Amino acid sequence: QVQLQQSGPGLVKPSQTLSLTCAISGDSVSSNSAAWNWIRQSPSRGLEWLGRTYYRSKWYNTYAISVKSRITINPDTSKNQFSLNLNSVTPEDTAVYYCARTKSGDLDYWGQGTLVTVSS
Amino acid sequence: QSVLTQPPSASGTPGQWVTISCSGSSSNIGSDNVYWYQQLPGTAPKLLIYRNNQRPSGVPDRFSGSKSGTSASLAISGLRSEDEADYYCAAWDGSLSGWVFGGGTKLTVL
Repeated sequence: QVQLQQSGPGLVKPSQTLSLTCAISGDSVSSNSAAWNWIRQSPSRGLEWLGRTYYRSKWYNTYAISVKSRITINPDTSKNQFSLNLNSVTPEDTAVYYCARTKSGDLDYWGQGTLVTVSS
Repeated sequence: QSVLTQPPSASGTPGQWVTISCSGSSSNIGSDNVYWYQQLPGTAPKLLIYRNNQRPSGVPDRFSGSKSGTSASLAISGLRSEDEADYYCAAWDGSLSGWVFGGGTKLTVL
């Protein structure tokens, strides 16, 4: 059974960096058939895919155009987890953030979600 | 505005059959699989239908999915009170190179 456990602060100040981690159990961040995604949900923007990291003989990242200049997703093979860094945040980045797995193309398991509020 | 279009609300009485539509384009639904998720209040989306019409183990066969062209539908038969939730469709968009979602449909069981 795959489980994704998220951790990170729930409050970030404007202009600072939002950082979250997603710990994986039941699969490997280095799996050749999986991709590891970050998705957020807010009342104003709905569900919004932010980006992914995946391993196919080497590491690849894909990011949504809306956040491409501000986002980094990194794998950590030693801890079997991956992380999200979103810099220069504004109140518009306030949302529930989810990590999620894609396996053989199917977006299946999601983390429990983390409400991140951007406020001074 | 979401890339995929869903009705904001749907309703039915216990035992009824309801459908929720999801409309997209040739770059998403028209060329890739559709996924449906159920989201109960305060929880993460849960996969309900994958690859247009497949149910993960544990999902009742009251839930079914279909796709035609650039549209898809989720059907729920024998509606139950515990089906009251938000439902989202999703697909990979080849033009955007990312996952896209519908705006969600709030299902009310009257």
